[in-house]
Amino acid sequence: GAVVSQHPSRVICKSGTSVKIECRSLDFQATTMFWYRQFPKQSLMLMATSNEGSKATYEQGVEKDKFLINHASLTLSTLTVTSAHPEDSSFYICSAEGQDYTGELFFGEGSRLTVL
Amino acid sequence: AQSVTQLDSQVPVFEEAPVELRCNYSSSVSVYLFWYVQYPNQGLQLLLKYLSGSTLVKGINGFEAEFNKSQTSFHLRKPSVHISDTAEYFCAVSLYSGGYQKVTFGIGTKLQVIP
Repeated sequence: GAVVSQHPSRVICKSGTSVKIECRSLDFQATTMFWYRQFPKQSLMLMATSNEGSKATYEQGVEKDKFLINHASLTLSTLTVTSAHPEDSSFYICSAEGQDYTGELFFGEGSRLTVL
Repeated sequence: AQSVTQLDSQVPVFEEAPVELRCNYSSSVSVYLFWYVQYPNQGLQLLLKYLSGSTLVKGINGFEAEFNKSQTSFHLRKPSVHISDTAEYFCAVSLYSGGYQKVTFGIGTKLQVIP
C-alpha cells in the first residue's frame, strides 16, 4: 500500500518560535494532502486541504497565517506553525488521498508538538 | 453534508470475547465507508472499506463490517478480540465534493481489551 511519512514525530519548542512539520508520500504522487489536528481523546479536526502547486484551502476557524501550508511537489507538503504558543500544543497528522480517488486516506505517523 | 455518529466513546471487552463498534452515518448521496484504527501516538491505518458490491467487508486483523443501507450503518465486528486490539477506532465516510473526496470522521471509539 501507499506509504506516507511524517517528520518529526516529536518536537518541543519555545513559545514564539516556528516549527515545520514535513509530510512525504514515499511511493506515490499525492496531488492532495490533508492536515489534521487531534486533541486528547477527540477525533481528527481537518485543518486544511493542501493541493500541489496551489494555495491550501483552510477550514473555518483555522488561522492561515499561523498554520502555513506549502505543497511544493507531488510528494511533499509542509505545515509550519508560526509563532507557536502553548495552546498550539497538539498532535498533528497529515494524510494523502489514494490514487483510486475513493476517499481512502493514507496517514503519516503524526507529530506531537509541545510548546513550552 | 454528511455526518458520522459513533455511538460509543469507550467499549471495554474481555479478551477473546466478541465486539461490535457501532457507526451510523447520514448523507443524501451515496458514500464510501471506512474504518481506521489508531494505536497510541501513531497515525491512522485502514482496517477496511466499503466501496460497492458485497455488503459484508473483511479487513485486516480479523475485523469485518457490514454495510446496511436501510439503517445507514456500518458496524465493525470481531468475533474474538486480542489484547493487541486495544486502540482507537474511527469510522469515516467520503463523498465527492468540490473536486475531491471529502472525508468526515466520527469521534472515535476507544476499545479497551481486558485480560
